[in-house]
Amino acid sequence: AQSVTQPDIHITVSEGASLELRCNYSYGATPYLFWYVQSPGQGLQLLLKYFSGDTLVQGIKGFEAEFKRSQSSFNLRKPSVHWSDAAEYFCAVDNNNDMRFGAGTRLTVKP
Amino acid sequence: GAVVSQHPSWVICKSGTSVKIECRSLDFQATTMFWYRQFPKQSLMLMATSNEGSKATYEQGVEKDKFLINHASLTLSTLTVTSAHPEDSSFYICSARKGTYEQYFGPGTRLTVT
Repeated sequence: AQSVTQPDIHITVSEGASLELRCNYSYGATPYLFWYVQSPGQGLQLLLKYFSGDTLVQGIKGFEAEFKRSQSSFNLRKPSVHWSDAAEYFCAVDNNNDMRFGAGTRLTVKP
Repeated sequence: GAVVSQHPSWVICKSGTSVKIECRSLDFQATTMFWYRQFPKQSLMLMATSNEGSKATYEQGVEKDKFLINHASLTLSTLTVTSAHPEDSSFYICSARKGTYEQYFGPGTRLTVT
């Protein structure tokens, strides 16, 4: 079955530490891949996307993600987390105009 | 830019009444819009795909007679929750497709049915 998996429900990191949020997908072909961030009570903001080409993509707010076909993964990274990064992060895949979301990872940032 | 608005941002209604939520793409035209539902601390669940000028496509398990969707123009889609019940209380988020694969999301509407 087609699916998007975010294995980590909740991650806590210290401010200034590095961050990696995991995302794996299960689709027959390489779908289009996205990372969104959601603050409490808000809609979703697009951080970055991968369609094709360079497998390391840069996004807004200092985030980047790397597509690894062999691992069916699209992990989100940030070298130095800021307190304002605390939010819910969703990985999403669009396969033939059908977008599906992972369960989300809640990020807590310790001072 | 690609801005999507929703109105209202929150609404409280009594059980048995209907409520309409609007989704607008402010600076682009969207032939396709999407409606999602999100329960607390959960992911977004696609309810339906709204295509301008045609009937919406509903996901399995979503009652099309309860959640009426109208996409009357290239910048406006509406979701009407009919005969609302407390279990319909949720956070409803719309998105609009710009280009081929990018979706831009509205800020969401919190519905509380008392």
